[in-house]
Formats: sequence, C-alpha cells, structure tokens
Amino acid sequence: GQQVMQIPQYQHVQEGEDFTTYCNSSTTLSNIQWYKQRPGGHPVFLIQLVKSGEVKKQKRLTFQFGEAKKNSSLHITATQTTDVGTYFCAGINWNSGYSTLTFGKGTMLLVSP
Amino acid sequence: DAEITQSPRHKITETGRQVTLACHQTWNHNNMFWYRQDLGHGLRLIHYSYGVQDTNKGEVSDGYSVSRSNTEDLPLTLESAASSQTSVYFCASSEGTGDQPQHFGDGTRLSIL
Repeated sequence: GQQVMQIPQYQHVQEGEDFTTYCNSSTTLSNIQWYKQRPGGHPVFLIQLVKSGEVKKQKRLTFQFGEAKKNSSLHITATQTTDVGTYFCAGINWNSGYSTLTFGKGTMLLVSP
Repeated sequence: DAEITQSPRHKITETGRQVTLACHQTWNHNNMFWYRQDLGHGLRLIHYSYGVQDTNKGEVSDGYSVSRSNTEDLPLTLESAASSQTSVYFCASSEGTGDQPQHFGDGTRLSIL
C-alpha cells in the first residue's frame, strides 16, 4: 500500500529561524493534505494541495507540491513559539470513489524563545 | 457550532475486557474515521465508514470493530483489550467523497494494564 515518509522526525530551532519539513510518497499522489497538532491536542487541517507544482501560502507558511506529485514540503519563515507542534502530511488513497488518508509519521517542531 | 465529541477522554482498563469508545459528530458528515496514535508511528487508520450501515477495515483493524447505525455516531469496540492497544485514539469526520478536510475529536487516552 501507499507509504508516506516525512523528515526530519524532530527539529529544534531558535525563534526567528526558518523551518522546513519534507514529505515523500512511494506512489503518485492525487492530493496531499497538511495538518498541525499542538502538544496535547488533536490534528487540525491546514491546507490541501492538488495540482502538480502547486505553491500555496498562509502568512509565514509556504506549502509546495512536487512536479511529479510524489513529494511535498512545508516551510515556515521566521518561526514563532506559537508554531510549536507536530506537522503531518497525509496522502489521499482512492477506493471506489471514496478516499482515506495515509499519514506520515510527522515532524515535531520545538521553538525556543 | 458543529463539533465532534469523543468519550471518555481517559480510560484505564484491564486486559481481556471489552471496551467501547464513543464518537459523536454534529457536522452531519457521512464519513467517519478512527485512528490510533502511537509514538513513532503517527496516525494509523483503524476503521472507517462512508455512511449508515457502511464500515471498512483500515490498516490496523485487528482486535477492533465499529458499527454505524446513524449518521452522528461511530463507536469503536475493543472486543478483548490487549496491552498492545494502549494508545491515544482519535475519531474524525469529513464530508463529500472523503478528500475533504478531516475534523478531529480531542482524543481518548486508553491504558490497558
């Protein structure tokens, strides 16, 4: 079945530094979603990418979908302590017209003030 | 506001007991999902449902069952709890064909002694 790999597993940065997490799939993805989970919280949807080479921005967050639709990245510019949490990518699997998500293992981001 | 509620939030039980975790959503979503989250494994899909009377096995379904008798609820049952099922369990729901964002509950932390 589909496998989604995420690196790094963990990153510790100083506030103001940039951060990037990478997601790679063993198969071509139709769509990819990104979620954020704060410590002790639940995953919260951030964005969905659909088109090859797509780039979307949300304030300091930039999301990219690779040209081959097998990889994606999330880049945070000038991190803040509010960015702390685990970031997950999730590839979409289609089955008879319905879909499920395969999540990567996530990248845990710690930001020191 | 629409929401998705899981209960209980915490539970401790013994091996061999039957345990049922509740999930109730007021989004009126057709799609509901159960995941378990373990350190080093991210979120793994246990069971899912695309509508009333529909249930499907996910990646890690052994030892778990679900039933869908109405749109709002998808209870997850551990027929005979095992220590390997100690985990944090998340319920989620989504609309449409399933490639829409998933809305997660706050999770149930289950410990099996």
